[in-house]
Amino acid sequence: DVKVTQSSRYLVKRTGEKVFLECVQDMDHENMFWYRQDPGLGLRLIYFSYDVKMKEKGDIPEGYSVSREKKERFSLILESASTNQTSMYLCASSLLAGLNQPQHFGDGTRLSIL
Amino acid sequence: SQQGEEDPQALSIQEGENATMNCSYKTSINNLQWYRQNSGRGLVHLILIRSNEREKHSGRLRVTLDTSKKSSSLLITASRAADTASYFCATVRGNEKLTFGTGTRLTIIP
Repeated sequence: DVKVTQSSRYLVKRTGEKVFLECVQDMDHENMFWYRQDPGLGLRLIYFSYDVKMKEKGDIPEGYSVSREKKERFSLILESASTNQTSMYLCASSLLAGLNQPQHFGDGTRLSIL
Repeated sequence: SQQGEEDPQALSIQEGENATMNCSYKTSINNLQWYRQNSGRGLVHLILIRSNEREKHSGRLRVTLDTSKKSSSLLITASRAADTASYFCATVRGNEKLTFGTGTRLTIIP
């Protein structure tokens, strides 16, 4: 089975801090994704990557950046955390066959910005 | 923007009954996928149905797709307490990314 691991289940940070969320997958998937999930809004795509060092903006990239230095690892960076970035963050991966393939998710990081 | 909209937003049924959730979308799609999310966990892929398919089964799950009505339904038969979760549909246009709906919260009453 595909394993997508997010480094923290819960994280509390302060406004203005630089925050790193890490995600690792063990199935050699080319595509990796970062979503945030908020009540009533569903999942919204922040960024995705289809190859090492490649990244594409999703629907809500403002205030975020990403890094993919190795195929198995995709990091989400909050450059200067703000309270409106308090949310559940979900990482996912899928095969290169297409962005429309089934995605495998990690268990999420619940991030609180105080 | 959200493509799929699930209906109802919440559903409570007795254990052993069947649960039906619906998903409507706005534009033509390549495929439609259903996911389950247990409380506090990530999403788990359940089933993918392509635009040229009308029905698909997986265990106790049955998914239908009506492209003329731009809608899909997920049926869970003989529900169990472990089926308590949120269920999301995700639509795909061409080779674009998945777009998720806001989900149906299903509660199975023992």
